[in-house]
Amino acid sequence: GENVEQHPSTLSVQEGDSAVIKCTYSDSASNYFPWYKQELGKGPQLIIDIRSNVGEKKDQRIAVTLNKTAKHFSLHITETQPEDSAVYFCAHNAGNMLTFGGGTRLMVKP
Amino acid sequence: KAGVTQTPRYLIKTRGQQVTLSCSPISGHRSVSWYQQTPGQGLQFLFEYFSETQRNKGNFPGRFSGRQFSNSRSEMNVSTLELGDSALYLCASSLVTRVTDTQYFGPGTRLTVL
Repeated sequence: GENVEQHPSTLSVQEGDSAVIKCTYSDSASNYFPWYKQELGKGPQLIIDIRSNVGEKKDQRIAVTLNKTAKHFSLHITETQPEDSAVYFCAHNAGNMLTFGGGTRLMVKP
Repeated sequence: KAGVTQTPRYLIKTRGQQVTLSCSPISGHRSVSWYQQTPGQGLQFLFEYFSETQRNKGNFPGRFSGRQFSNSRSEMNVSTLELGDSALYLCASSLVTRVTDTQYFGPGTRLTVL
């Protein structure tokens, strides 16, 4: 599948601050962009996804934006809490499979 | 509803051996995908099964194989294990085989090859 670049690889924020993670892809046919959160010892869990017919989607403190022209999408977490600390993965459909970014380790300091 | 379950959770094998991992999808889900997760390569797609048929395959050697049973449970097998096969193996289930369907991951099987 096509690669997806994810930045930053690590992100440290103070509790209450916002966190932004960005991903860039190359397959112009991609139309599904999920974000997963993986806590230690667990499998990835879907936290939000967006499809190419919308530019933004929100779910409480989490939002995702998509720019299909520039081929990038971002995850925004507002009012971060210590329990948001985890590794976050972006993904997109490249062909018939999901291709994942390299992950961002988010650390929220109390 | 119970989530995706994987057994065993941990495995230690030696080079040259083979291993079989098992995945039980969420009840009603018919598609099972397998992924390999390593620090160096990240999450990589292995293959997907739907209705007992392999529908998609990632870029892995033939030593990696799988199958799906009529109850949608799936197994993956790795033969002639190599040190580089040490990884977390994740399975994910979804209702049907569309790549845009939400995939729900299990906790993974941690395989260590010595």
